[in-house]
Amino acid sequence: ELKVEQNPLFLSMQEGKNYTIYCNYSTTSDRLYWYRQDPGKSLESLFVLLSNGAVKQEGRLMASLDTKARLSTLHITAAVHDLSATYFCAVGGTNFGNEKLTFGTGTRLTIIP
Amino acid sequence: EAQVTQNPRYLITVTGKKLTVTCSQNMNHEYMSWYRQDPGLGLRQIYYSMNVEVTDKGDVPEGYKVSRKEKRNFPLILESPSPNQTSLYFCASGVVPLHFGNGTRLTVT
Repeated sequence: ELKVEQNPLFLSMQEGKNYTIYCNYSTTSDRLYWYRQDPGKSLESLFVLLSNGAVKQEGRLMASLDTKARLSTLHITAAVHDLSATYFCAVGGTNFGNEKLTFGTGTRLTIIP
Repeated sequence: EAQVTQNPRYLITVTGKKLTVTCSQNMNHEYMSWYRQDPGLGLRQIYYSMNVEVTDKGDVPEGYKVSRKEKRNFPLILESPSPNQTSLYFCASGVVPLHFGNGTRLTVT
């Protein structure tokens, strides 16, 4: 059974600082997703990582994937308040035809001015 | 605008009273699925559908039914809701990436 672990679960950081969220998963997969969720809102797709060594960047966020280590990271550079949200990583399904995403439990990020 | 639309957004009901949460997408996606979100558990898949008239169970299907009579619609049916189905529900469509609806917060008393 695929398990996805994120850490930390809670992260409070000051504006301007850098930090990294980690996502470990237990079974081979070559599809890794990062989503953002604001309170009371839906999930917004941030990154789709489809191969070993994939790196994607959007603004102050950068995501990477190491399929051999079964590890993805979401790096935040010079955090700003607007980045406060809950971030989920999700691993793509290994069953043909069912793109089931197995989610981590999320990282609640709070940026303090 | 590409959308996954769920209704209602909020629903409070009593144990045993049948309810349906509707989901509609306008992106002509073949794949649709339902998830529930609970604190500390992330999101878990309830059911999925690969195409019209093709549905299958996800990880937590007990107490739920779905149907897929048309490509755009994928309703979630709770025939006899119980308090442990109190949760936040998301419909999703597409594949890479999945597009999520705005969610339905269900409370069963």
